Amino acid sequence: DVKVTQSSRYLVKRTGEKVFLECVQDMDHENMFWYRQDPGLGLRLIYFSYDVKMKEKGDIPEGYSVSREKKERFSLILESASTNQTSMYLCASSWARLSSGNTIYFGEGSWLTVV
Amino acid sequence: GESVGLHLPTLSVQEGDNSIINCAYSNSASDYFIWYKQESGKGPQFIIDIRSNMDKRQGQRVTVLLNKTVKHLSLQIAATQPGDSAVYFCAENRDSSSGSARQLTFGSGTQLTVLP
Repeated sequence: DVKVTQSSRYLVKRTGEKVFLECVQDMDHENMFWYRQDPGLGLRLIYFSYDVKMKEKGDIPEGYSVSREKKERFSLILESASTNQTSMYLCASSWARLSSGNTIYFGEGSWLTVV
Repeated sequence: GESVGLHLPTLSVQEGDNSIINCAYSNSASDYFIWYKQESGKGPQFIIDIRSNMDKRQGQRVTVLLNKTVKHLSLQIAATQPGDSAVYFCAENRDSSSGSARQLTFGSGTQLTVLP
């Protein structure tokens, strides 16, 4: 089974703090993603990485950065957390080309509250 | 704009009945579709997928139907069980052959409640 592991399930941070969300996948997938999920808004793509040290901005990259130093690990960084970044963050991974049997898999999510 | 949406935000069914969850998409270029199940407080779990060159695919207790003519996707769950209670959402990929999953778009979901 594919496993996408997000290291922190629940975090509470103060406004202005630097926040790291870590994600590890064990399937040697090329692609890794960070999404944000908010009620009524569905999943929105923050950043996407298609290879080590490669990244692309998603739909809502403002206030976030990412790091992919190793193929299995993709980190989401909030340089200065703000209350409007309170949300559930989902990491995902996939092979380069999506097809039946090669789909996108999600982690369990990280609930971040910024106070 | 282009969107992936669901006809109903909530669906309640009796345990043992069949459930049908619908999804509409508007991009005729979409060539790959996925259904996910998300239980409260958990990440989305892959259920089943289908490519646009198929109109039906079956899994264990689930069937996905794709009607490209009306751009409609449905998920059928047979003999619905209490453990099926969750949010179900569909996703479409506009160009899975390009090598990028960047084009994946998600619907907002339907809450399925299984009644005893």
